[in-house]
Amino acid sequence: DGGITQSPKYLFRKEGQNVTLSCEQNLNHDAMYWYRQDPGQGLRLIYYSQIVNDFQKGDIAEGYSVSREKKESFPLTVTSAQKNPTAFYLCASSQGQVSYEQYFGPGTRLTVT
Amino acid sequence: GNSVTQMEGPVTLSEEAFLTINCTYTATGYPSLFWYVQYPGEGLQLLLKATKADDKGSNKGFEATYRKETTSFHLEKGSVQVSDSAVYFCALSDRGSQGNLIFGKGTKLSVKP
Repeated sequence: DGGITQSPKYLFRKEGQNVTLSCEQNLNHDAMYWYRQDPGQGLRLIYYSQIVNDFQKGDIAEGYSVSREKKESFPLTVTSAQKNPTAFYLCASSQGQVSYEQYFGPGTRLTVT
Repeated sequence: GNSVTQMEGPVTLSEEAFLTINCTYTATGYPSLFWYVQYPGEGLQLLLKATKADDKGSNKGFEATYRKETTSFHLEKGSVQVSDSAVYFCALSDRGSQGNLIFGKGTKLSVKP
């Protein structure tokens, strides 16, 4: 089955630690995205990548980093510089310029204490 | 800039009631419009889409018509079920930002038996 996987589903970290969230897709999509969702809130774009080895900052990139070394993978690192990292993180992909609809993974809930 | 405005929730309905969730947008050019649904603890699922004026998207009994004259894309369903309880997001494709989606803040729907 084609789709997007995110792991783990739940993640717990101590303050001051970096943590990397995994996102893998087998849809052969060119574009991938990371969003943050806080309780009762909409989605805010963190980073996006339209093609391998290239990515751009979204609206709230501070305290986060990404890489896009492979088409199917777009890991997100939440660094210790992110002041309020506890949130629900969603990864998505799309065919990019062919079709703008995005397909989402199941999300990772990160709790930092 | 481009934006999406959704009616604020929560919306509470009885089973078999008629549903309308209002969505209006501001955009330059001719965006594609989408409705996504998010069940508790899960990622977003594409519910329906419309890519040009007067298009009607439909899926699982839900419908929305792309109205350019009123810049609206209201979501409707004739008879809701308890299983429709979720958060619904309206979104548009922002061609000025490489096709990135702009989301509304979401509307929580609760359907009571």
